[in-house]
Amino acid sequence: GQQVMQIPQYQHVQEGEDFTTYCNSSTTLSNIQWYKQRPGGHPVFLIQLVKSGEVKKQKRLTFQFGEAKKNSSLHITATQTTDVGTYFCAGKNRDDKIIFGKGTRLHILP
Amino acid sequence: DTEVTQTPKHLVMGMTNKKSLKCEQHMGHRAMYWYKQKAKKPPELMFVYSYEKLSINESVPSRFSPECPNSSLLNLHLHALQPEDSALYLCASSQLTRGGPQHFGDGTRLSIL
Repeated sequence: GQQVMQIPQYQHVQEGEDFTTYCNSSTTLSNIQWYKQRPGGHPVFLIQLVKSGEVKKQKRLTFQFGEAKKNSSLHITATQTTDVGTYFCAGKNRDDKIIFGKGTRLHILP
Repeated sequence: DTEVTQTPKHLVMGMTNKKSLKCEQHMGHRAMYWYKQKAKKPPELMFVYSYEKLSINESVPSRFSPECPNSSLLNLHLHALQPEDSALYLCASSQLTRGGPQHFGDGTRLSIL
């Protein structure tokens, strides 16, 4: 079946360093959504990308959707301790199903 | 604060018990979802309701029975669960009937003894 692969699985960075997580789909996606889940919390919607090659920014977060609409990335500039959590991408396929990636757990070293 | 409310927050039950999880949203969303999430894993879709009708059942065992009494409420009835069913159960809603950005509740942490 269709899969959304997400790497890396874990990432430890020093506070102030940058962080990037990547998602790749085996098929073309209608859109891609990103969610953040803090430890002990629930997933919180961050953003949705729809257009080929789209780039959106939210303060220190930059989201990209690939030209072929099969891959996406989330880049955080100058990480802070509040960025700790698991970041999930979720791709919407042509059947309108949302398929979650396995997530990237971000840990910040003070 | 979340706009999707789930009760109870925690539930411990035996394998022979019957219990229900409840979810409520007042955002006017027409799609509601149940997910199961194990520790360090992504949410795993169980059911989708679209306009109060069950539109997706991801081959979930019959010991889980969903119900959508109205557009604001979603229940998950539990009966004869197994220890491996222990997990965080998340409810979500979206404005679009399927595939739109989802708003999640805090979840019910379920433990099966």
